[in-house]
Amino acid sequence: GAGVSQSPSNKVTEKGKDVELRCDPISGHTALYWYRQRLGQGLEFLIYFQGNSAPDKSGLPSDRFSAERTGESVSTLTIQRTQQEDSAVYLCASSFAGIGAETQYFGPGTRLLVL
Amino acid sequence: AQSVTQLGSHVSVSEGALVLLRCNYSSSVPPYLFWYVQYPNQGLQLLLKYTTGATLVKGINGFEAEFKKSETSFHLTKPSAHMSDAAEYFCAVSFTGNYGGSQGNLIFGKGTKLSVKP
Repeated sequence: GAGVSQSPSNKVTEKGKDVELRCDPISGHTALYWYRQRLGQGLEFLIYFQGNSAPDKSGLPSDRFSAERTGESVSTLTIQRTQQEDSAVYLCASSFAGIGAETQYFGPGTRLLVL
Repeated sequence: AQSVTQLGSHVSVSEGALVLLRCNYSSSVPPYLFWYVQYPNQGLQLLLKYTTGATLVKGINGFEAEFKKSETSFHLTKPSAHMSDAAEYFCAVSFTGNYGGSQGNLIFGKGTKLSVKP
């Protein structure tokens, strides 16, 4: 079946603008994660959704970042008033039940460049 | 706090040579351990993982890794490098329960870029 998809694949924006990134997880996966990959760095956890539970937002770097998920499907990550340090690849992953031993399946990412 | 350290941001080997990518973790609770690979302009793909049982884990493309609890290590090896192995490799850990963040959240090392010379 289809893997995790993300859109857009690339986004260039001006400092101060808002951006919205989209993730379509694998069908049937209840857990969805957002990560950020900055140049030369590993992946940083941002936010986690599990079924209908309240999301874990502990990794969000500032209140300019927010995310939503509709049921167990599409998720959007919104960055308000973008800053140059927000430039990164934003990766989405999903897994079946969101437990530690599970494999997470990653999308191709959205490359964000803030000018 | 839980963390992952990958020694060497860049590793270069000759085709046919042994590949050894090092990963050490810091954790106060038993970890689950993963190696992911990222080929240029592609998403991350699971190479292998350790959850329980046998500490020597075999993955795709001839890679394997051994969990050594006493050394808190999970080094990745391949006996003979191939040109197609050139990629960036990430070691990651997760845990049962909410240690280090969300349940199931992966904590990643900074990655090791592998180059393979002909």
